[in-house]
Amino acid sequence: GAVVSQHPSWVICKSGTSVKIECRSLDFQATTMFWYRQFPKQSLMLMATSNEGSKATYEQGVEKDKFLINHASLTLSTLTVTSAHPEDSSFYICSAMRSDTDTQYFGPGTRLTVL
Amino acid sequence: RKEVEQDPGPFNVPEGATVAFNCTYSNSASQSFFWYRQDCRKEPKLLMSVYSSGNEDGRFTAQLNRASQYISLLIRDSKLSDSATYLCVVNRMGGSYIPTFGRGTSLIVHP
Repeated sequence: GAVVSQHPSWVICKSGTSVKIECRSLDFQATTMFWYRQFPKQSLMLMATSNEGSKATYEQGVEKDKFLINHASLTLSTLTVTSAHPEDSSFYICSAMRSDTDTQYFGPGTRLTVL
Repeated sequence: RKEVEQDPGPFNVPEGATVAFNCTYSNSASQSFFWYRQDCRKEPKLLMSVYSSGNEDGRFTAQLNRASQYISLLIRDSKLSDSATYLCVVNRMGGSYIPTFGRGTSLIVHP
């Protein structure tokens, strides 16, 4: 298997603040990482594909200026939710892809609550 | 038509039962296939990859039918701990791999 960590595991913030979530692949290098969002009782929704050393690719309907993604190294991608609002409250999950097996391994997720 | 479709269930089965899930995909360019399980309020965990020749891991068997564009997961001798949502994931190439998730099939194994 492979290990992916995500930090923080949960965060509560006030409306209007920015929140940064880190995703790290601990025992393999990942040129590609993905960011998902999941609302209660709904399926995972891909937000963006994060590629090391290049700009992220955002899915339709996801605002790139609101959800800033940086993939500065082969083991770290960050998602910053800027000017968070209560409707941004959700479970944010990252995954890292092992290129040798095309397999995604997920981080444990970050539960964001915006008051 | 959704790119990856699964019956959401729930499938409610007794311990020891055999249960099968199907997942259909619409993009014939899809290249790799996986089953994940997701427990409530947790992240998905890889259950198994799905190979063209079919593959087995203990009580779990996965199969791929490219002609009909579906993958299946068979669970034998169900345990209470198998209760979870099972997600089908299909990767296609679009510059790099693009994963698409099914909405998941809920399994409840009862005593």
